[in-house]
Amino acid sequence: GENVEQHPSTLSVQEGDSAVIKCTYSDSASNYFPWYKQELGKRPQLIIDIRSNVGEKKDQRIAVTLNKTAKHFSLHITETQPEDSAVYFCAAPGGSQGNLIFGKGTKLSVKP
Amino acid sequence: KAGVTQTPRYLIKTRGQQVTLSCSPISGHRSVSWYQQTPGQGLQFLFEYFSETQRNKGNFPGRFSGRQFSNSRSEMNVSTLELGDSALYLCASRVSENTEAFFGQGTRLTVV
Repeated sequence: GENVEQHPSTLSVQEGDSAVIKCTYSDSASNYFPWYKQELGKRPQLIIDIRSNVGEKKDQRIAVTLNKTAKHFSLHITETQPEDSAVYFCAAPGGSQGNLIFGKGTKLSVKP
Repeated sequence: KAGVTQTPRYLIKTRGQQVTLSCSPISGHRSVSWYQQTPGQGLQFLFEYFSETQRNKGNFPGRFSGRQFSNSRSEMNVSTLELGDSALYLCASRVSENTEAFFGQGTRLTVV
């Protein structure tokens, strides 16, 4: 079955710096890769996703890149702000009908 | 439209008891997935239901079970509760595979 590894587990940056979170997956048939943000005490919410037919997708300060050959994808946050502080989860489809398998999360702290 | 609703929000149970959690998906969403969230372990996949059928199951013991009704509402049951079952249980609904999963606010289960 699918296995998703996420690194780092914690990340601390200064406000205005960039943050990068990386994930690897095992199932070469996977074709949908979402990223979720979970603020303290709240539910996870989708912030960006990418499908296997593109290599990069951007949405304002957030971008995701995908390397299907190497089976890894990354989240890039530029010009970080304190409100970006949260736990970020990557995911990839697992199982025969594509249920989402999540990485263990990255706790991002943005220091003002 | 209304989001994913989980009830109850909080539960305290004693070891050996059983518990039933409920999830009402977004209208029109036929897929409901359940996840266990604990510190350091991220979101661990329990099972997914689609049109009243269990499509996928994670690596959890048989004490964890679920079902889905004809209106797509889903229930999750845990029997013979153990201390280690204390966690936040999240459900997520989506229209189909490879689309955004919307999470409920979760049920916080404490086993004493």
